[in-house]
Amino acid sequence: EDQVTQSPEALRLQEGESSSLNCSYTVSGLRGLFWYRQDPGKGPEFLFTLYSAGEEKEKERLKATLTKKESFLHITAPKPEDSATYLCAVRGLMDSSYKLIFGSGTRLLVRP
Amino acid sequence: GAVVSQHPSWVICKSGTSVKIECRSLDFQATTMFWYRQFPKQSLMLMATSNEGSKATYEQGVEKDKFLINHASLTLSTLTVTSAHPEDSSFYICSARRGRDNSPLHFGNGTRLTVT
Repeated sequence: EDQVTQSPEALRLQEGESSSLNCSYTVSGLRGLFWYRQDPGKGPEFLFTLYSAGEEKEKERLKATLTKKESFLHITAPKPEDSATYLCAVRGLMDSSYKLIFGSGTRLLVRP
Repeated sequence: GAVVSQHPSWVICKSGTSVKIECRSLDFQATTMFWYRQFPKQSLMLMATSNEGSKATYEQGVEKDKFLINHASLTLSTLTVTSAHPEDSSFYICSARRGRDNSPLHFGNGTRLTVT
């Protein structure tokens, strides 16, 4: 069964304190891994898509990496505005209906 | 800017009434849209796939007679929660892909439904 596990559930950082969020996945062949940011009371906002192990994507203070079993979202020198829930989702190779499997997210709080 | 628009952003209704939620793709056509449900501090769960011009595909355990989906045009899908009960209170989010095959889903801003 396809599964996505994110850790930690919650993370508190001081402004400028870099850290990483983990997304471990089990899927019968990976078609794509997606990272989203979700603010309270809002829908998820797309950040990155990763397709194959070794791939990396960057956007401002965020960098996503991918291995065959997990993905990391590295946050460098975070600011309070980076506070949000970060969601990871995967799509398996066998999926023909675009059914994403989401993790339960990591709630990030960056204190000034 | 936003590529998927959802309305209303919140709604309160009485038990037994029906509520309609609209999802529109902005400046692109979406033959397929996806409806998710999210409980507090939990993951997004796919409820159904909305197909333009044909019946929606529902995930296991989702009552199709309770959650009516209509995809009447290439830019509009609606979800109607019929005879709502307090346990239907949740955050409903729609999404659509702009592009082909493995392009990412773009989500609306969600609808907070509270049934009293």
